[in-house]
Amino acid sequence: EAGVAQSPRYKIIEKRQSVAFWCNPISGHATLYWYQQILGQGPKLLIQFQNNGVVDDSQLPKDRFSAERLKGVDSTLKIQPAKLEDSAVYLCASSPMVGGRTEAFFGQGTRLTVV
Amino acid sequence: KQEVTQIPAALSVPEGENLVLNCSFTDSAIYNLQWFRQDPGKGLTSLLLIQSSQREQTSGRLNASLDKSSGRSTLYIAASQPGDSATYLCAVHTNAGKSTFGDGTTLTVKP
Repeated sequence: EAGVAQSPRYKIIEKRQSVAFWCNPISGHATLYWYQQILGQGPKLLIQFQNNGVVDDSQLPKDRFSAERLKGVDSTLKIQPAKLEDSAVYLCASSPMVGGRTEAFFGQGTRLTVV
Repeated sequence: KQEVTQIPAALSVPEGENLVLNCSFTDSAIYNLQWFRQDPGKGLTSLLLIQSSQREQTSGRLNASLDKSSGRSTLYIAASQPGDSATYLCAVHTNAGKSTFGDGTTLTVKP
């Protein structure tokens, strides 16, 4: 079974620029998550999708962050414009359950550096 | 608001020692709890998942316990090896799929 795929692995941009991250979840997984992990901290949920609908985006800074899940499969996370404090690892995860919760599988993450 | 705390933040032990990592959470209304391992520059690898109705789960040298009423979980690693060096994260999940992570314990096992 292929894992969660993310790209790019690394990205360096200047503040005020825009950036986009891509995630391909495990085939058949209904639930997709985007997390932000700042160095030395645990992951913080940004947005949760169930198929192509948003379940929870309460911690997504909507003035600069946006996310979509195309046809309930792939997802993109965009930051526009980026700030220095957005430097972090962005993790995508997927889970097979519809409702309830089972084990989540994580991708390798995208390390973003804003200079 | 759920808060998850992991103690200690860092731990260094000689190879072969048994060790315990701690995780505490403030809201006992959880669906399950999951322990992860994270290697530098990598994503999270799931180690053990404990349902709220369970008391413990075992996988090889790892044993995780859950005391929901007191808001505590422990991860026991037996006969530690240098390859166990990593950051260990615990996460609590609600039945709506909302997750709260601790900040992790960074473990170093010295040969």
